[in-house]
Amino acid sequence: QSALTQPPSASGSPGQSVTISCTGTSSDVGGYNYVSWYQQHPGKAPKLMIYEVTKRPSGVPDRFSGSKSGNTASLTVSGLQAEDEAVYYCDSYSGSSNFGVFGGGTKLTVL
Amino acid sequence: QITLKESGPTLVKPTQTLTLTCTFSGFSLTTSGVGVGWIRQPPGKALEWLALIYWDDDKRYSPSLKSRLTITKVTSKSQVLLTMTNMDPVDTATYYCAHRDQLERPLAVDIWGQGTLVTVSS
Repeated sequence: QSALTQPPSASGSPGQSVTISCTGTSSDVGGYNYVSWYQQHPGKAPKLMIYEVTKRPSGVPDRFSGSKSGNTASLTVSGLQAEDEAVYYCDSYSGSSNFGVFGGGTKLTVL
Repeated sequence: QITLKESGPTLVKPTQTLTLTCTFSGFSLTTSGVGVGWIRQPPGKALEWLALIYWDDDKRYSPSLKSRLTITKVTSKSQVLLTMTNMDPVDTATYYCAHRDQLERPLAVDIWGQGTLVTVSS
């Protein structure tokens, strides 16, 4: 069971949009609509931003959106704000292990 | 309001067994669909699933760590325990306790504990 693949870094200027990818296999991301995204600020616990690929928990701004195509899920942050600077992790159910698997994390920098 | 808090030793020696306790409030582990899990994060590194237990005592483990892990629940105390045997310095990490509700937000962690840093060193 390998970790999902995320780019180590991403960046954008305030007001711009940025998309972070999360690539797995047909046994995890591609096979199930159970991809979650978490935001983690330094020294803090992660926070759920997206679940079931596209759904937002209450309180999460609609600037955050999720999608999936094939074995790759994506998190898009629109209208970037300074407080969006954080590390983002994807997480998917894996049918091969009947458990979860995280991505390696993407550090988002707001320029 | 759901809260979870991790407790346990901050320092363990190599080969020792680690036992962590997650004490939670605001929900019951007897409610259908509810689960509590453990996730760890080595310093500067990514998150890693360890184990999870559901309301019906269904247990899931990381395939790579399964032989070293045991997760149990003490419903009467609103606690979930994780034991990890044969600790090694590479197991140094912040260990998080996590809440899951399969009926509300399937296969997602909607509430996290603050985390507890465990250092493995002689």
